[in-house]
Amino acid sequence: SYVLTQPPSVSVAPGQTARITCGGNNIGSKSVHWYQQKPGQAPVLVVYDDSDRPSGIPERFSGSNSGNTATLTISRVEAGDEADYYCQVWDSSSDHQVFGTGTKVTVL
Amino acid sequence: QVQLVQSGAEVKKPGASVKVSCKASGYTFTSYDINWVRQATGQGLEWMGWMNPNSGNTGYAQKFQGRVTMTRNTSISTAYMELSSLRSEDTAVYYCAPRGRFGDLTSWGQGTLVTVSS
Repeated sequence: SYVLTQPPSVSVAPGQTARITCGGNNIGSKSVHWYQQKPGQAPVLVVYDDSDRPSGIPERFSGSNSGNTATLTISRVEAGDEADYYCQVWDSSSDHQVFGTGTKVTVL
Repeated sequence: QVQLVQSGAEVKKPGASVKVSCKASGYTFTSYDINWVRQATGQGLEWMGWMNPNSGNTGYAQKFQGRVTMTRNTSISTAYMELSSLRSEDTAVYYCAPRGRFGDLTSWGQGTLVTVSS
């Protein structure tokens, strides 16, 4: 089955840039989506189809995808960005959703 | 706006079954597959399966094959996920979410906590 690997944690100072990676075999050929989840809340889609943002999501959130790595970038990090982040793809070969292992972003 | 309202928390004994509902509004219910995802406390997101509200077709993660059943009632725009033979490891928050055209899960229900305890 398809596996997506994320770093367990990323720490960043306010105002700096956080980059969260999502590794998978030839992930560049797939459409990658990213979710933000704060404690006690349902996940929220922040980036879809590699780099598009749903309405209402700040431009500070951006995504890229190439080769074996997709990346979510959070620019000008704010305290409110502290959350868990998950990448996700639809594996068409198995008709299954696959989630990454999740990354906890801590704002110092 | 898209809204998914799930049924309330449940407490079940090992071996029992639970059925969680997910009522959709703000979009055409039959246009998007409903996915179910669960999350145990302190753990990551775990995909369980999908259901096409138009055809009733389903696809389940191998882990849940034989134990999960996803159905719908189109007249009330509601999807259901039933999990049987419950064990303590099934204690988790269960979410429903429609799948967008890129495979993304665009909106999520508020979650339903299912606790399995003797």
